[in-house]
Amino acid sequence: AQTVTQSQPEMSVQEAETVTLSCTYDTSESDYYLFWYKQPPSRQMILVIRQEAYKQQNATENRFSVNFQKAAKSFSLKISDSQLGDAAMYFCAYHPGDMRFGAGTRLTVKP
Amino acid sequence: DTGVSQDPRHKITKRGQNVTFRCDPISEHNRLYWYRQTLGQGPEFLTYFQNEAQLEKSRLLSDRFSAERPKGSFSTLEIQRTEQGDSAMYLCASSRFPAPQETQYFGPGTRLLVL
Repeated sequence: AQTVTQSQPEMSVQEAETVTLSCTYDTSESDYYLFWYKQPPSRQMILVIRQEAYKQQNATENRFSVNFQKAAKSFSLKISDSQLGDAAMYFCAYHPGDMRFGAGTRLTVKP
Repeated sequence: DTGVSQDPRHKITKRGQNVTFRCDPISEHNRLYWYRQTLGQGPEFLTYFQNEAQLEKSRLLSDRFSAERPKGSFSTLEIQRTEQGDSAMYLCASSRFPAPQETQYFGPGTRLLVL
């Protein structure tokens, strides 16, 4: 069974600084997708970034980038130039088939 | 708005009652997923459809839960004889499959409170 582990229940970052959220996963599959989703308080889940396992190049989306280490089964999210609007729960997720989510990391952004 | 929609957004019911939730996916998406999310946790997979076929069900989906997608468009999730432990946010997501980069897009969820 695939499992996703987010070891940081809470993280805090100063506005304009950089923060990295950790995620590890367990799978026997060789082809899969990994995602980071953001869930602001009382709002819906929004896709932040996606990584295909067969791609060696790390995905980037504006201020968001990942460090994908396939051998280590690690998939961390880096948020650069943090903004107040980045405050949310962040979930790491594994796919294919049903999506498996980690327990989430609550990110606080301090002004 | 062409995103995933869910109705109702909130539902309060008494233990033992039946409830039904509806999800309307993004129009061109053929896959539809249901998840349950309890407070402080990540979503847990319940079931998913490809068109009208229910392809997978989690063991979390007890006999009291049933989902349908009769015409391959909207889906309903029914919970019979609700229990307090059913209180959670029920999330729906949709995706296009196959796709070069299959991605699930989520609706706003239905928050269920069982008294």
